[in-house]
Amino acid sequence: DAGVTQSPTHLIKTRGQQVTLRCSPKSGHDTVSWYQQALGQGPQFIFQYYEEEERQRGNFPDRFSGHQFPNYSSELNVNALLLGDSALYLCASSLQGVNTEAFFGQGTRLTVV
Amino acid sequence: GEDVEQSLFLSVREGDSSVINCTYTDSSSTYLYWYKQEPGAGLQLLTYIFSNMDMKQDQRLTVLLNKKDKHLSLRIADTQTGDSAIYFCAESPLQTGANNLFFGTGTRLTVIP
Repeated sequence: DAGVTQSPTHLIKTRGQQVTLRCSPKSGHDTVSWYQQALGQGPQFIFQYYEEEERQRGNFPDRFSGHQFPNYSSELNVNALLLGDSALYLCASSLQGVNTEAFFGQGTRLTVV
Repeated sequence: GEDVEQSLFLSVREGDSSVINCTYTDSSSTYLYWYKQEPGAGLQLLTYIFSNMDMKQDQRLTVLLNKKDKHLSLRIADTQTGDSAIYFCAESPLQTGANNLFFGTGTRLTVIP
């Protein structure tokens, strides 16, 4: 079991550009959540996808959007990048309705210059 | 809203016990979690406790929960240099479970050889 995998591991983008990050959940998991972790902070919840729909959303602007595919993998898209979007983006997978464990990937380090 | 607070730093000598503390505000939280993050890495789930429990022990780890005071602690026995990392406390509200976690800012544990 490969666990939760994210790609790419590192990314550098220019302000105003758009970026897509990818996540494959742990085998058997059907729910993917995305988090943003700014330097020196704890992760903050962006949104959650289940059955290919956004189910919950944290306090993030519409520039942040996502998608879930039939194989449960997910993408996070950020438009009109700002310098403040520089962070580690973490994907977590879990099983809907089993409120015990969420497993995290290694993250994608996004730097906006 | 949910708020999770932790002290920022803790230093201990190798072989001593470490105690990392956390306070939270959401009395409806069902599960409380401890995650470990090593430099440049994602989050590793260490342990979790259900809100109707007072204590959970797992090898060198002991979690204590005081629900009345909304205080959670993680004790690491016989702390080793490999335990040096940032430790995050997280809570899951009743309605969202493990799919939407609220994290503290993390406690950086430094183990002195």
